[in-house]
Amino acid sequence: GAGVSQSPSNKVTEKGKDVELRCDPISGHTALYWYRQSLGQGLEFLIYFQGNSAPDKSGLPSDRFSAERTGGSVSTLTIQRTQQEDSAVYLCASSNRVIHGYTFGSGTRLTVV
Amino acid sequence: AQSVTQLDSQVPVFEEAPVELRCNYSSSVSVYLFWYVQYPNQGLQLLLKYLSGSTLVKGINGFEAEFNKSQTSFHLRKPSVHISDTAEYFCAVRPGRGGSEKLVFGKGTKLTVNP
Repeated sequence: GAGVSQSPSNKVTEKGKDVELRCDPISGHTALYWYRQSLGQGLEFLIYFQGNSAPDKSGLPSDRFSAERTGGSVSTLTIQRTQQEDSAVYLCASSNRVIHGYTFGSGTRLTVV
Repeated sequence: AQSVTQLDSQVPVFEEAPVELRCNYSSSVSVYLFWYVQYPNQGLQLLLKYLSGSTLVKGINGFEAEFNKSQTSFHLRKPSVHISDTAEYFCAVRPGRGGSEKLVFGKGTKLTVNP
């Protein structure tokens, strides 16, 4: 597609439930990133996929967080047993080695109640 | 590892005034530098980037930034701001050529342009 697409745009979930956030990157972009944006905290790196290489998971805050990227395209970020501190905007971005800069999606606003 | 410090969390200015948003970085290797803008309730949009060459980089919407290697800075400037420039601005860094493509972001600077 023309841009990075994220769904849902908003998600309200009860504490303890699992959630799945989806990201559809720009066609042909080999790299895909997930970041978390909390109020006043800037952007926190979560995970990075580059082609067929093993993902860089160094930013995942706990083992409740996981992500996969199927077929080098769509990615799903899963948060298990959600906690209130997981409430944030989750941003996905994609890039290629030519542009050296990310294109971001509009994000998913997750609220855990 | 790289890190970014945005020295001002909030910058209020009047319309048509000049503005400078400060960014300092830390890195033991050469870097690529970026500024992104986030308008209210929107995603992040690339304003400009420094990869190599001229240290003065021009971006969209009349913004420019200057890479200063000795001061490890990449400050963003605009000579005359508009109300529509009200947004949050993020500076970001990554290792240069051949390095990881993972960007490290600063905590952001909220620019508020008042009439």
